[in-house]
Amino acid sequence: KAGVTQTPRYLIKTRGQQVTLSCSPISGHRSVSWYQQTPGQGLQFLFEYFSETQRNKGNFPGRFSGRQFSNSRSEMNVSTLELGDSALYLCASSWADRESAYNSPLHFGNGTRLTVT
Amino acid sequence: AQSVAQPEDQVNVAEGNPLTVKCTYSVSGNPYLFWYVQYPNRGLQFLLKYITGDNLVKGSYGFEAEFNKSQTSFHLKKPSALVSDSALYFCAVSPRRGSSNTGKLIFGQGTTLQVKP
Repeated sequence: KAGVTQTPRYLIKTRGQQVTLSCSPISGHRSVSWYQQTPGQGLQFLFEYFSETQRNKGNFPGRFSGRQFSNSRSEMNVSTLELGDSALYLCASSWADRESAYNSPLHFGNGTRLTVT
Repeated sequence: AQSVAQPEDQVNVAEGNPLTVKCTYSVSGNPYLFWYVQYPNRGLQFLLKYITGDNLVKGSYGFEAEFNKSQTSFHLKKPSALVSDSALYFCAVSPRRGSSNTGKLIFGQGTTLQVKP
């Protein structure tokens, strides 16, 4: 079974631009979560989608948004990029239906490394 | 506030020796607990989880973890370390059902494990 696929692997953008990152979950997984990883702040939760609905959201500004499509693929968008947005963005999928939403392991992709200059 | 602490930034151990990576948590109620490993330029890989039951949980690659409710700890262990175990290890907690935290894991800051030949 194919793992979680994130594209692109690397991105270089300029301040003020916007960026879209893509994530294809493991087949059959309906939950997709996004995390930001930085050396200073560690791993921080951005949001989670399940069956095209945002089910949970972290403490990030509105510049960070996401969506999920009917095939469970997900995208996240960051508008008006700032230098501090430079990070590794990780997508994770899980078999997290209503009954197992809290204890299903997350399966992570290899991430998109975003550099903002 | 919910939090996870990994008190050691780095753990050094000789190959063949036992290893322990420490984790303590502060979460209301009884949480679900996880360990993940991250290799350079890769996403996180799930190692093991504690939901309920036996306090000693066995996971992938010979790792195990011991849950101690009274000390609110969930230390990762392996009887005999391999050089290939060298990586960044994260402890994470998920609040149980009843809280609106689907898809969200609270991660520790990570511990770098260095196994020397």
